[in-house]
Amino acid sequence: DAGVIQSPRHEVTEMGQEVTLRCKPISGHDYLFWYRQTMMRGLELLIYFNNNVPIDDSGMPEDRFSAKMPNASFSTLKIQPSEPRDSAVYFCASSSWTGGHGYTFGSGTRLTVV
Amino acid sequence: GENVEQHPSTLSVQEGDSAVIKCTYSDSASNYFPWYKQELGKRPQLIIDIRSNVGEKKDQRIAVTLNKTAKHFSLHITETQPEDSAVYFCAASSGTALIFGKGTTLSVSS
Repeated sequence: DAGVIQSPRHEVTEMGQEVTLRCKPISGHDYLFWYRQTMMRGLELLIYFNNNVPIDDSGMPEDRFSAKMPNASFSTLKIQPSEPRDSAVYFCASSSWTGGHGYTFGSGTRLTVV
Repeated sequence: GENVEQHPSTLSVQEGDSAVIKCTYSDSASNYFPWYKQELGKRPQLIIDIRSNVGEKKDQRIAVTLNKTAKHFSLHITETQPEDSAVYFCAASSGTALIFGKGTTLSVSS
């Protein structure tokens, strides 16, 4: 398996623009998580899905953030409109919790909003 | 919800010394405690984990201990090497979503 695949690796956008981050989880994993990493706040849980259904989105900072998982192999995190304070590394991770093991993270998307 | 505190935020040791990183958690229902290592510019990777029915687990030079009563757990690295330099994160979960500590930057100098 190729692991968790995220795209793009880097994104630079202007304030006010829409940004879409993408994630392909490991096949067979039924949990998918979105995290945001900054120096100040560390790894923050934004939202997670189980069998494509959002379970907890209490970490989504504002209505500008939205996430979808239309099928078992694809998820998106959208920011509209983007702001400079959204600059961070966004990680997607997947897990098959029945195994009791930790997550597998993707390589992350480094977002810079100027 | 769960809150995980991690200390210290930075740790510098000499090669060959031991390093200890400590975490506390707030939710007594938490039952799974993994540790992740993140090298600069890379993704976090699982290095060891422990479940609440176990007090200690060891894998070569790394070990994790858990004190459920006090709600704290620790990572121990013995005989540190320069390649151990990285950011280490603890995490806790009572079901599915992991809540992470803010990380410890470990620097091992030769």
